[in-house]
Amino acid sequence: DAGVTQSPTHLIKTRGQQVTLRCSPKSGHDTVSWYQQALGQGPQFIFQYYEEEERQRGNFPDRFSGHQFPNYSSELNVNALLLGDSALYLCASSLTGGGGYEQYFGPGTRLTVT
Amino acid sequence: RKEVEQDPGPFNVPEGATVAFNCTYSNSASQSFFWYRQDCRKEPKLLMSVYSSGNEDGRFTAQLNRASQYISLLIRDSKLSDSATYLCVVIVDNYGQNFVFGPGTRLSVLP
Repeated sequence: DAGVTQSPTHLIKTRGQQVTLRCSPKSGHDTVSWYQQALGQGPQFIFQYYEEEERQRGNFPDRFSGHQFPNYSSELNVNALLLGDSALYLCASSLTGGGGYEQYFGPGTRLTVT
Repeated sequence: RKEVEQDPGPFNVPEGATVAFNCTYSNSASQSFFWYRQDCRKEPKLLMSVYSSGNEDGRFTAQLNRASQYISLLIRDSKLSDSATYLCVVIVDNYGQNFVFGPGTRLSVLP
C-alpha cells in the first residue's frame, strides 16, 4: 500500500523564479492538503483540494496556487519566489467522508530560495 | 492569541520518566484533535487521535478538556526512540478541511 509520495525531495531556486511541487496521495485517498513548514515551526495550512477544486485556503498570497488531477494527485505552484518561501513543503492526503479526519503526510519537498 | 499553543520545551528527560505535554486552543468550536510526532527533518506522523472520553495506546495517553480548551499527551516509561517533536493539531471547521498545528514541543529522552 503506497503511502504519500512527493517530488522532488530537494530544490534550489532563485528569487523571482517559479516552482512546481508534486504529490501523489495514499492509495484510496481523494483529498490533498498542502502545508508550509519553516524551520522550528509547526506546519502552516496553504490549501486543500478535493474533486479537483480548491476547497479551502489558508492565509497565503495568490502566488501560491495548486491543482488536483483526476487521479487525485496534486501540484503546488509558487510564483515570484521570495527568500521567505524557503521551507519544507508538505503534502497530506485524507479521505473525505471516510469517517475520520486523519491526514497522512508525505516526506516533503525542501525548497531553498537564494 | 495564537489558535493553538503548546508548551515551549524542550523537554529533556531520562529514560523511564513520565512526561506530559499540554496544548491549548482558542476556537471553542474546534471539532477534532490529534497528536502527531515529527522526527528531525522528517514528515509529521499521526500518533493518536484525541477523543472526548480520552484514549490510551500503550504508553501514550491523550486527554481532551473541552471546557478549558486544552489537550494533553502523557508518555509513560519514555524510551530513547520517543525523542521527537510532538505537534498538537486542531481541526477548526466542521468538514475536517483545516488542520491547525501548534508550534510543537521537542522531547529529548536521555540515556
